[in-house]
Amino acid sequence: ETGVTQTPRHLVMGMTNKKSLKCEQHLGHNAMYWYKQSAKKPLELMFVYNFKEQTENNSVPSRFSPECPNSSHLFLHLHTLQPEDSALYLCASSQDNGGDTGELFFGEGSRLTVL
Amino acid sequence: QQQVKQSPQSLIVQKGGIPIINCAYENTAFDYFPWYQQFPGKGPALLIAIRPDVSEKKEGRFTISFNKSAKQFSLHIMDSQPGDSATYFCAASKGGATNKLIFGTGTLLAVQP
Repeated sequence: ETGVTQTPRHLVMGMTNKKSLKCEQHLGHNAMYWYKQSAKKPLELMFVYNFKEQTENNSVPSRFSPECPNSSHLFLHLHTLQPEDSALYLCASSQDNGGDTGELFFGEGSRLTVL
Repeated sequence: QQQVKQSPQSLIVQKGGIPIINCAYENTAFDYFPWYQQFPGKGPALLIAIRPDVSEKKEGRFTISFNKSAKQFSLHIMDSQPGDSATYFCAASKGGATNKLIFGTGTLLAVQP
């Protein structure tokens, strides 16, 4: 496996369900991100992790809970979501050298539908 | 408040044409301006990027033109091909933080054979 892999690729869940999205990067990077992509809207940065520590939370509702157990894995735990949370969730990674951080590498995304 | 405004929303050109996608930004602290290309079912991938110390950058058939005074930058695709059909996103960031990008809304490009 190379690059950034995300599972599952598609997920349908009810508003009362609890599910998780998984991301794994095989690039040796030390920073990982979650982005939300909705139709006709800019990609929205949700969370940033550097060296496993969360460094950014862009006012994301608490029904989204990230977890970064190590620099290669990132999870997004989902609970009591709303239909407007239906979107493509993209994971990305980069090499953060403390100054000019490197290129973002994106996964193919997890398409989430909330019924 | 949308910090990076992108236009047009969609664009159709014939093979060999030169599609141009424009972006405008508001924050003068932005100092890194990349373009990402996204094919259906794939994640965005970095295509080309520019910093405000130059007015133009070329990589193959792709060119970024940058106008610092107007706070605008654009992507030109020379000799466009059907394989260039994709969604293109401009973005901007500040302070060397190439990872904390503010994205535009995207332009869906279709290059007809």
